[in-house]
Amino acid sequence: AQSVTQLDSHVSVSEGTPVLLRCNYSSSYSPSLFWYVQHPNKGLQLLLKYTSAATLVKGINGFEAEFKKSETSFHLTKPSAHMSDAAEYFCVVSLYGGSQGNLIFGKGTKLSVKP
Amino acid sequence: GAGVSQSPSNKVTEKGKDVELRCDPISGHTALYWYRQSLGQGLEFLIYFQGNSAPDKSGLPSDRFSAERTGGSVSTLTIQRTQQEDSAVYLCASSPPLAASTDTQYFGPGTRLTVL
Repeated sequence: AQSVTQLDSHVSVSEGTPVLLRCNYSSSYSPSLFWYVQHPNKGLQLLLKYTSAATLVKGINGFEAEFKKSETSFHLTKPSAHMSDAAEYFCVVSLYGGSQGNLIFGKGTKLSVKP
Repeated sequence: GAGVSQSPSNKVTEKGKDVELRCDPISGHTALYWYRQSLGQGLEFLIYFQGNSAPDKSGLPSDRFSAERTGGSVSTLTIQRTQQEDSAVYLCASSPPLAASTDTQYFGPGTRLTVL
C-alpha cells in the first residue's frame, strides 16, 4: 500500500537560508511523487513531480527534490528562502504509480520565513 | 488558459440542510477528482471520475455524500443532511486524458463549507 509521511508539521527559516522539507514514502509500485504548494487562501499548485526519468527533479521558484529509493525519501529543498515561499507544502504519492488514480497526500508542512 | 473553477467559494449552511458544490474542470481533461481538506488535516480523497467509466467512490465518508459528472465535464458534489463535521474546504482537481501519460492534477481554489 502507498503512504507518505511528512516528517515536520512546521519549519521556520530565515530569509536567504536553505530550506529542507522532508518526505518519506511507501509504495508497492514504482511511484510517481509530487510536491504541491498551497499559499493562504489559494488553490494547490504543482511545484514539481518525479516519474522515474531523473532522480533530481527541478521545479518552479527554485525548488528541487531528489528521489532516493534506498532511503524511500523525496525531500524538497531550496538554496535560499524568500519571503514569498511562506506557505504549506504537501508531499504526494500517486496511488497507482505511473497511471492515473487518486493521490495520497501527506499532512503538510507549514513553512514560515522570517525576515 | 482557464484553470479549474469551483463555486461557490464560500458556503455557510445550517446543520441538516443539503448543499451542492460545483466544479468546472479544465477543458479536455477527462479525469476529475474531489478531495476534502479539514482544519489541521491533509487532503482526503473523496471520489474520482475517469471518462465514461464508473466512478471510484471509495473515499466518500458516508451515504450522505454523492457526486455526479454530467456530459463528462462539470461535476456536482452533494452533501445531504449536513453535519458540523462536514465543515472543510472541498477541492476539485482535473487531469488530462490517459493518453497524455501524466498523472498531474490541477486543482481549483476550493469551496469553504461551514456548517453551523
